[in-house]
Amino acid sequence: GESVGLHLPTLSVQEGDNSIINCAYSNSASDYFIWYKQESGKGPQFIIDIRSNMDKRQGQRVTVLLNKTVKHLSLQIAATQPGDSAVYFCAEYSGTYKYIFGTGTRLKVLA
Amino acid sequence: DVKVTQSSRYLVKRTGEKVFLECVQDMDHENMFWYRQDPGLGLRLIYFSYDVKMKEKGDIPEGYSVSREKKERFSLILESASTNQTSMYLCATRGSRRGYTFGSGTRLTVV
Repeated sequence: GESVGLHLPTLSVQEGDNSIINCAYSNSASDYFIWYKQESGKGPQFIIDIRSNMDKRQGQRVTVLLNKTVKHLSLQIAATQPGDSAVYFCAEYSGTYKYIFGTGTRLKVLA
Repeated sequence: DVKVTQSSRYLVKRTGEKVFLECVQDMDHENMFWYRQDPGLGLRLIYFSYDVKMKEKGDIPEGYSVSREKKERFSLILESASTNQTSMYLCATRGSRRGYTFGSGTRLTVV
């Protein structure tokens, strides 16, 4: 069946380093993907999105890469800061109003 | 910005109680969703609504019902709460292709 998954449940990075969070998806027909950030005690917040006709999209300190050949999505955070500590998860648009969400990766930023 | 407000951040209820979780949005969005979020399982769709008085079952509707009497309000009802319904409940709205806007969540504990 369809699934969206993450390779690493927890990622620890040194402050100032770059972070890379990965996501695998299984539905090759999905045409839209989103990364969300969820801080403790809060609801998920939109970070960045990408459509399937793109390979890369950049935002402020964040970049999303899409590899449709291997059905892989990644989120890169440049110069990771303590405020980046959160759970990150990807979402895949499956049509009919719904998204499929990954289980999440916890990013810990070490001082 | 769209605001999605969930009436309670924390709730403790007894087994067998009828529980109401309320969600209100202020941007006239037609689509509203209820998810539960559990460690290791990610977000799972319980019910959604694409219009007033319309509702559709999600992936895990058993033990739940919903009500959408007004466009801005989408209520999740646990008919007879059970301990396996202890979870974080997230309400979301969707007005465009750019994903959901989530509320802050309600952490429900059933004892």
